[in-house]
This record gives sequence, C-alpha cells and structure tokens, in this order.
Amino acid sequence: AQKITQTQPGMFVQEKEAVTLDCTYDTSDQSYGLFWYKQPSSGEMIFLIYQGSYDEQNATEGRYSLNFQKARKSANLVISASQLGDSAMYFCAMTYSGGGADGLTFGKGTHLIIQP
Amino acid sequence: ETGVTQTPRHLVMGMTNKKSLKCEQHLGHNAMYWYKQSAKKPLELMFVYNFKEQTENNSVPSRFSPECPNSSHLFLHLHTLQPEDSALYLCASSRGLAGGRDTQYFGPGTRLTVL
Repeated sequence: AQKITQTQPGMFVQEKEAVTLDCTYDTSDQSYGLFWYKQPSSGEMIFLIYQGSYDEQNATEGRYSLNFQKARKSANLVISASQLGDSAMYFCAMTYSGGGADGLTFGKGTHLIIQP
Repeated sequence: ETGVTQTPRHLVMGMTNKKSLKCEQHLGHNAMYWYKQSAKKPLELMFVYNFKEQTENNSVPSRFSPECPNSSHLFLHLHTLQPEDSALYLCASSRGLAGGRDTQYFGPGTRLTVL
C-alpha cells in the first residue's frame, strides 16, 4: 500500500520569499509518479508538477520545482518568489506502476498563507 | 468548454432524494475518476473507469452508483444518502498511461450537502 505524509498542516510565508512544502512517501513499487496539486478556496484541484521515479533530474515548472530525493523517499515542493495568489491548500500525491488509469493516493495537505 | 466540467456545482438533498452528479471532460482522455473530499480527511478515490469499463471500486457503499456511457462523460447517481456523505465530490480524467506517468486533471467539484 502507498502512503503520503505531509507534516506541515499550515504555513505562513512573507510575499516574495521562497517556500518549501514537505512531502514524504512510502511505497514498495519501483516505478511510480509523484504529483503536487494546488487547491484554492474555490475547490478545484490544479495540477502543478510531476516527477517520475526514474527521472534523474528534478522537475521544474515555472516558479515550481520538485526536490526529489529518492533514497529518502521525499518529494518536496519549492515555490520561488511567492505571490499572494499562491495562498491555497497544497497536496502531494502519488500513483503507481499499474496498467494505467490508477488512482492517486493523496496526503492530508498543507495550508499555505502568503502574507503581504 | 475546456478541461473538466462538473454539474451542479452545489447540491443540497434530503436523505430520501435521488440525484445525479455529472462530469464531462474535453481533453480526449480515456480514463475518468470520482474522488470524495471530506473535511479533515485526505481525498479518497471512489471509482475508476478506463475506456468506459470500471476498473476500480474502492469499497464504496451501494448508495453511490457510477455510470460511464462513454470516455467523455461520467455520472455519479446518489440515493438514500446519509449526512456523513456531505463532501466535495471531485471528478478527474487522464490519458490512462501506465508506469506511474499518468497525470490526472480535475474538475471544479460538486459540493454536496445531505440534510
């Protein structure tokens, strides 16, 4: 069984600062995918970034980067130069190497608040 | 319309009512999913459909009945629900890629309240 752990229920960060959201995972699969999603108060789950277990380089998407440390089973999200619009819930999730169309396992999330 | 849409966005129903949630994806994907998000709990996978065939039922009570008439549409039929079924119901779609490479895209959700 897979498990995602996010240990930061809430974080307050000053605008323009970088922020790191922690995520550790547990799986016995060799091939898996790690994802980060953002959920504003409106409720929609917005895909941010993906990291494959065999990817040698850390994924980056604009201001988002994923600090992937496979041996430690961690996949932290780094947001550079935070903005007020970054205030939201952030979820780490993973899927496994099934035959395709596998459900995601989510963590409990981190509530990020960016302060002006 | 683009992406994944869900209707209605909000629904209030009594325990004896029958209602349906609708999801439509405009991304050309092959797989569709229902998730439940309750307060203070992680998102829970409910059902998975791949090429219209149900491939996963995550021990969901029979008062929730999914239907997938084609790869673009997914329904969740609700009947005799309980107050603890009040939650945000999220639909997602994906290409259905194997090897952990499958990115899911979500709709805006239906916020359900059961009285």
